Amino acid sequence: QKEVEQNSGPLSVPEGAIASLNCTYSDRGSQSFFWYRQYSGKSPELIMFIYSNGDKEDGRFTAQLNKASQYVSLLIRDSQPSDSATYLCAVHPGGSYIPTFGRGTSLIVHP
Amino acid sequence: DAGVIQSPRHEVTEMGQEVTLRCKPISGHDYLFWYRQTMMRGLELLIYFNNNVPIDDSGMPEDRFSAKMPNASFSTLKIQPSEPRDSAVYFCASSGPGTGELFFGEGSRLTVL
Repeated sequence: QKEVEQNSGPLSVPEGAIASLNCTYSDRGSQSFFWYRQYSGKSPELIMFIYSNGDKEDGRFTAQLNKASQYVSLLIRDSQPSDSATYLCAVHPGGSYIPTFGRGTSLIVHP
Repeated sequence: DAGVIQSPRHEVTEMGQEVTLRCKPISGHDYLFWYRQTMMRGLELLIYFNNNVPIDDSGMPEDRFSAKMPNASFSTLKIQPSEPRDSAVYFCASSGPGTGELFFGEGSRLTVL
């Protein structure tokens, strides 16, 4: 059973702080890693994807991948109240086009 | 493009009734997914299609659930008979050549009384 694990939270951070969201996965052959954001009552939408070990930055967001340790993380710098949402980690197992989703981490950014 | 379109947005029905959820994927996308989301179980994959062909329906909870994709622009998820434990938000998503990103519809919130 291919698993993707996330701390359900909630993770509470003050406005302007760095929020760190983590995800671990069981399939060592996984190739593609995605972070989706889901606001309450809305559908998931893609924030970032990463394929290679290391960091990938996009504005205030940085995805970090460590395949040896089988974890992927999302850092949100200068967190804003509008970042308050559930963040879903999705992992594509090796050779598969079909993602496995984690349960998501709830992030609360308080003013 | 209008994105993935789902209907109805909300459905309230009584136990035992048939429920049909509809989805129009993004034009050109060759994968279509049906997910169910609840607080208890998170986002669960029910079934997915590739080029209109069902590939994996192992996530369909039981025979009361069925899904079809008669053409590239339309899919249905049917529950018959419905039960209160089927209450959830059902998402349709599509994906095409490229990064593997899934594009989700707005979801259909089903309440079975």
